[in-house]
Amino acid sequence: DAGVIQSPRHEVTEMGQEVTLRCKPISGHDYLFWYRQTMMRGLELLIYFNNNVPIDDSGMPEDRFSAKMPNASFSTLKIQPSEPRDSAVYFCASSFLAGNTGELFFGEGSRLTVL
Amino acid sequence: KNQVEQSPQSLIILEGKNCTLQCNYTVSPFSNLRWYKQDTGRGPVSLTIMTFSENTKSNGRYTATLDADTKQSSLHITASQLSDSASYICVVNDYKLSFGAGTTVTVRA
Repeated sequence: DAGVIQSPRHEVTEMGQEVTLRCKPISGHDYLFWYRQTMMRGLELLIYFNNNVPIDDSGMPEDRFSAKMPNASFSTLKIQPSEPRDSAVYFCASSFLAGNTGELFFGEGSRLTVL
Repeated sequence: KNQVEQSPQSLIILEGKNCTLQCNYTVSPFSNLRWYKQDTGRGPVSLTIMTFSENTKSNGRYTATLDADTKQSSLHITASQLSDSASYICVVNDYKLSFGAGTTVTVRA
């Protein structure tokens, strides 16, 4: 398996623009997580899905953020409108039996810079 | 207050030397504790996993220990190599994952 695949790897945009980050989880994994990582706050959970259904979105900062998982092999994280404070690395991770072993398989991340 | 605290925040060591990273947690009980390694520009990768009842687990030159009484875990790196330069993140799993902020290790030749 190619692992968790994220795109784009780098995104530079201007304040107010819409940003869409994409993720393809490992086949067979039934959990998908979106994390944000900054120097100040480390890794923060934004939202996670189980079998394509959002389970906990309490980490989503505000209404400007939304995430979807239309099928088992694809998820998106959208920011509209984007702000400079959204600049961070966004990681997608997938897992199976997350409540048991809890091992997360991370993608390479999408580095977002909002000017 | 974060339930998982790591120390030091960063450290620099010479190639070939040993070092120990600390993880103090308040989550208890828990299912397991993992150490992840995150290379610059990459996603974290699991190094070791320990259950609540385990005391030590090795993965090559990496050895993790767990003391459930003091609620501490450590990650010991033996004979460090340049490729060990990375951030190391402690994660406690009580069916909700609690992440430490990480320790950045720099190995110099």
